[in-house]
Amino acid sequence: EAGVVQSPRYKIIEKKQPVAFWCNPISGHNTLYWYRQNLGQGPELLIRYENEEAVDDSQLPKDRFSAERLKGVDSTLKIQPAELGDSAVYLCASSSAEGRSAQYFGPGTRLLVL
Amino acid sequence: QKEVEQNSGPLSVPEGAIASLNCTYSDRVSQSFFWYRQYSGKSPELIMSIYSNGDKEDGRFTAQLNKASQYVSLLIRDSQPSDSATYLCAPYSGYALNFGKGTSLLVTP
Repeated sequence: EAGVVQSPRYKIIEKKQPVAFWCNPISGHNTLYWYRQNLGQGPELLIRYENEEAVDDSQLPKDRFSAERLKGVDSTLKIQPAELGDSAVYLCASSSAEGRSAQYFGPGTRLLVL
Repeated sequence: QKEVEQNSGPLSVPEGAIASLNCTYSDRVSQSFFWYRQYSGKSPELIMSIYSNGDKEDGRFTAQLNKASQYVSLLIRDSQPSDSATYLCAPYSGYALNFGKGTSLLVTP
C-alpha cells in the first residue's frame, strides 16, 4: 500500500512570493491533516479535512494561508505571500475511520523563505 | 492550551540497554495515545498506539498508559544504534494529535 505522497520535497522562495504544497493521502483515508513543524518542535495542526470539508482550521493563519481538498482526495496548501517566519517543514497526514485516530505522515515539504 | 511535556534529552543509553521515555499530558479528554519516531530530516513514523490503561507490547517496544496520572511512557528493550532518533508523544483529544517537543534518544555502541 502506498503511503502519503507530498510534493515538492524542498522549496526555496523569496519573501512575498507565493508557494503551494500538494498532498495525496493513503487510499481510502477520508481524514487529511496539514501540520507545520518548526525546528526542535513537534508538529502543529494547521487544518483538518473530513472528506472535502474543512472541519478544523482554527490554527490556519487565514490572512495568508489557504487550503483546499477537492473531491475529498488530494489537497493543496497555499501561502501567499510568504514571510520569513513561514520557513518550516509542512507535513501532510491521513487517517481512516477504522484506524482509531492513528495518523500516517508523508515525507513533508521543507520550505525556506529568504 | 493542551500541554504535552517530554524531557528534551538527549537521553543516552548503551547498546543493549532499556531506554525509558516519558510523557505527561494536560488534556483529560485524551483517549488515544501515540508514539512517533522521527529521524533527523525525516517525517514522524508511527511506532506505537495505546488506548487503555496498562501496558502494550510490540516487539522491543512497550507502551504504558496511566490515565489517572495523565502519564504515558515508551520502553525500548535491547536498544540499538538504529533507535537513535527523536521520539514524539502524541495524545489524541478528539480532533487532532497534540504533539510534545520530543525526546532525543542516543544509543551508543
